[in-house]
Amino acid sequence: LAKTTQPISMDSYEGQEVNITCSHNNIATNDYITWYQQFPSQGPRFIIQGYKTKVTNEVASLFIPADRKSSTLSLPRVSLSDTAVYYCLVALDNYGQNFVFGPGTRLSVLP
Amino acid sequence: NAGVTQTPKFQVLKTGQSMTLQCAQDMNHEYMSWYRQDPGMGLRLIHYSVGAGITDQGEVPNGYNVSRSTTEDFPLRLLSAAPSQTSVYFCASSYALAGGPQYFGPGTRLTVL
Repeated sequence: LAKTTQPISMDSYEGQEVNITCSHNNIATNDYITWYQQFPSQGPRFIIQGYKTKVTNEVASLFIPADRKSSTLSLPRVSLSDTAVYYCLVALDNYGQNFVFGPGTRLSVLP
Repeated sequence: NAGVTQTPKFQVLKTGQSMTLQCAQDMNHEYMSWYRQDPGMGLRLIHYSVGAGITDQGEVPNGYNVSRSTTEDFPLRLLSAAPSQTSVYFCASSYALAGGPQYFGPGTRLTVL
């Protein structure tokens, strides 16, 4: 069953690029990799999703190597408001319906 | 669109009481799910549904029931509340039946005394 491993915490300074890597060694062939952001007392918010290679949107980039056993979320030029917990998510099953969140990565952006 | 809405925002129960947490979405999403999040932890999937009349268990289903009679609503029932069910509960929905982005509600903070 696919599960994820991420660093528990990271610190960065405003204006820097932050890369958070997630390992998912047993990802299913047809599964997507999805990243979420969560602020205290709020529900997770979808950031980006990808299947392979690179995906970019207005807030982040997602890099997925060919073997798909890991993925890296890249946040360009972080600000204080990016301080949050970041989760990568894959499915437990082969249908992409049953999920488990890991503990996530707590990112602290310092001035 | 209101997105995913949850009621109530806060609830205090006594051990043994039952209650229903409400979840509704107005995006015509087929996939809906319930998670619980304990302090300092990630979210754990309780139950999910891929359409009206179809539900399945997630990682931590014991003590909870769900049903899906309409596309819009996915209530979560606590049968006999226990202190171990003290948590924040999030409902989510997705337009994709397999692996699509999930959109989360604001959560219900439940305390069981």
